[in-house]
Amino acid sequence: AQKVTQAQTEISVVEKEDVTLDCVYETRDTTYYLFWYKQPPSGELVFLIRRNSFDEQNEISGRYSWNFQKSTSSFNFTITASQVVDSAVYFCALPPPGSGNTGKLIFGQGTTLQVKP
Amino acid sequence: DTAVSQTPKYLVTQMGNDKSIKCEQNLGHDTMYWYKQDSKKFLKIMFSYNNKELIINETVPNRFSPKSPDKAHLNLHINSLELGDSAVYFCASSQDGNSPLHFGNGTRLTVT
Repeated sequence: AQKVTQAQTEISVVEKEDVTLDCVYETRDTTYYLFWYKQPPSGELVFLIRRNSFDEQNEISGRYSWNFQKSTSSFNFTITASQVVDSAVYFCALPPPGSGNTGKLIFGQGTTLQVKP
Repeated sequence: DTAVSQTPKYLVTQMGNDKSIKCEQNLGHDTMYWYKQDSKKFLKIMFSYNNKELIINETVPNRFSPKSPDKAHLNLHINSLELGDSAVYFCASSQDGNSPLHFGNGTRLTVT
């Protein structure tokens, strides 16, 4: 079964701390995409990254970095030197097997990150 | 310019009423979606349309009827609203099924 687990329901850090949000997934597909989305307090859903399972190189974008490890089925997200504006709910997602080109995504439960000043 | 816009932003209505949510995207995408986010923030797909054709109907009650007059629009009509329909409904679009979803700002539906 397709499953995305974000075991951390809520994380609270103080500004400038580094924080890692965990994502563990299950899939029977051999190739697949993984996604992270951000939902700030204003409510919109913002795309952060898409990772192809072929590519296990870590991705860095400014203060954000992603560690994809196919061997452990994990796609973790690290924010370096967190800021108050990083406070949001973060979702990990992947397509269910056999979904083809439908665009259907299975979302994790989300991790609420609170960054305190 | 707003890429994916949905209206209204808030919708408060009584049980039994019928309501519609409209969605439009100006990204030229072929695929559009409706997702539902419940009170626990859980996101789940409801429908997916590709170029006006229904691709996914995720065991949603028949009271929910999507309509896509053209590939830039995907509306959601809900009949006989129930308390359990209260949620945030997100419209989204993507270039294809493997591309990132671009979400609208959501419609918070409250059924009283």
